[in-house]
Amino acid sequence: AQSVTQLDSQVPVFEEAPVELRCNYSSSVSVYLFWYVQYPNQGLQLLLKYLSGSTLVKGINGFEAEFNKSQTSFHLRKPSVHISDTAEYFCAVRRSSNAGGTSYGKLTFGQGTILTVHP
Amino acid sequence: EPEVTQTPSHQVTQMGQEVILRCVPISNHLYFYWYRQILGQKVEFLVSFYNNEISEKSEIFDDQFSVERPDGSNFTLKIRSTKLEDSAMYFCASSEGLGTNTEAFFGQGTRLTVV
Repeated sequence: AQSVTQLDSQVPVFEEAPVELRCNYSSSVSVYLFWYVQYPNQGLQLLLKYLSGSTLVKGINGFEAEFNKSQTSFHLRKPSVHISDTAEYFCAVRRSSNAGGTSYGKLTFGQGTILTVHP
Repeated sequence: EPEVTQTPSHQVTQMGQEVILRCVPISNHLYFYWYRQILGQKVEFLVSFYNNEISEKSEIFDDQFSVERPDGSNFTLKIRSTKLEDSAMYFCASSEGLGTNTEAFFGQGTRLTVV
C-alpha cells in the first residue's frame, strides 16, 4: 500500500516570492509521483510527474519538483509565484508499471496544500 | 482540448434516496475512475473500471455503490441509499492507458450534499 503526506495544509506567500510545497510518501513498491493543482471550481489538473530518469522534473506554469528517493520526498517548487498560482495542490503516487503485481492506475493522494499568493 | 465532463455540478438529495452521478470520459480513453473528497479530507480512490468491469475498488466502495458504462460514452456512479456521510465532492477521471506516458484526466467534480 502507498501513503502520501503533505506537511503543510496552508502556505501563504507574497507575490514574486519563492515557494516550496512539501510531499513525502511511503510505499513498499516502486511508484510514479505526481503533482496536481485544483483552481477554484475546477477539476484536478496535472502539473508534473516523475516516472524515471532525471530526479528534477519540470511542469507547467514554471513549477518543478525534485524526487529524492532516500528521503522519500517529492517537493514542489516555484522560484517566483504569481497571484494566479493561488490554488490547492495535491501530491499523489501510483504504483509503477514495473512494480510487479496488478495495477490499474489507482492514485493515492495527500491531503492537499492550499497556496495563497498575496499581492 | 478534450476534457472529462461531469454532471451535475451540484446535487442535493435526501438521506436514503438514490443518486446517479454522470461522467463523460475522453473519447479514446480506456480506463475510468471515481474518486471522492469529503470536505477537509484527502481525495480518496473509490473504483477503477476497464473493459466493462470493475478492475479495482477500495473498501469505501461497498454494496451501496455501483458503476456502469451504459452506452459506450457515459460512465456513471450510483449510490443506492445515500447517507449523510456520502456528502463529498466526487471526481471522475479517465486515462488512455497505464503506461509511463499516460496520465489521468479529471473532471470538475460533482458536489453531493445529503440532507
